[in-house]
Amino acid sequence: SQELEQSPQSLIVQEGKNLTINCTSSKTLYGLYWYKQKYGEGLIFLMMLQKGGEEKSHEKITAKLDEKKQQSSLHITASQPSHAGIYLCGAVSSQTDSWGKLQFGAGTQVVVTP
Amino acid sequence: EAGVAQSPRYKIIEKRQSVAFWCNPISGHATLYWYQQILGQGPKLLIQFQNNGVVDDSQLPKDRFSAERLKGVDSTLKIQPAKLEDSAVYLCASSPLGGKRSEQYFGPGTRLTVT
Repeated sequence: SQELEQSPQSLIVQEGKNLTINCTSSKTLYGLYWYKQKYGEGLIFLMMLQKGGEEKSHEKITAKLDEKKQQSSLHITASQPSHAGIYLCGAVSSQTDSWGKLQFGAGTQVVVTP
Repeated sequence: EAGVAQSPRYKIIEKRQSVAFWCNPISGHATLYWYQQILGQGPKLLIQFQNNGVVDDSQLPKDRFSAERLKGVDSTLKIQPAKLEDSAVYLCASSPLGGKRSEQYFGPGTRLTVT
């Protein structure tokens, strides 16, 4: 099965600073999803990337997909306290999997300090 | 638009007892998923329904876990009997199309503690 490794496991960033989270797959990526989770809550959808080289942005969050490296990155510009939480990447495991079964990484915990 | 609803939010039981979780997906969403998230890990898919049919239950421990989605709307997940290692958050998600074409919308989860 596909394995997703997220790095770093956790990070502490000062408010206003930028941060980057990486998600590396052991297999070819056929679709990559980024979610955010706060403690005790469900996952909130952030972005979906489906094509190599695709880049999407929403407010201060940008995600990129590098098909050759089997990797995706999530970048937050000028972090705010509202960006604190756990960021999870999820990937579709197979090109032939029409049902889109997602495998998730273990998550990256982000703490934003004043 | 109402989100995915789950109940209860928290449950504490003793090992060997039974427990059931309920999920009501977003109206009109054909695909429903149950995930298990153990502390410090990402969610793991247990079972996926397309309408009221199962399309993937390969990671569901069928000797103790069961799930149903009668009428293709809400769903229940049952554990009988529970083990200590079942302590986790159980997340329900739904999507309008399933597959690679649409994102999944998650409920708040049910936090299960087995003592």
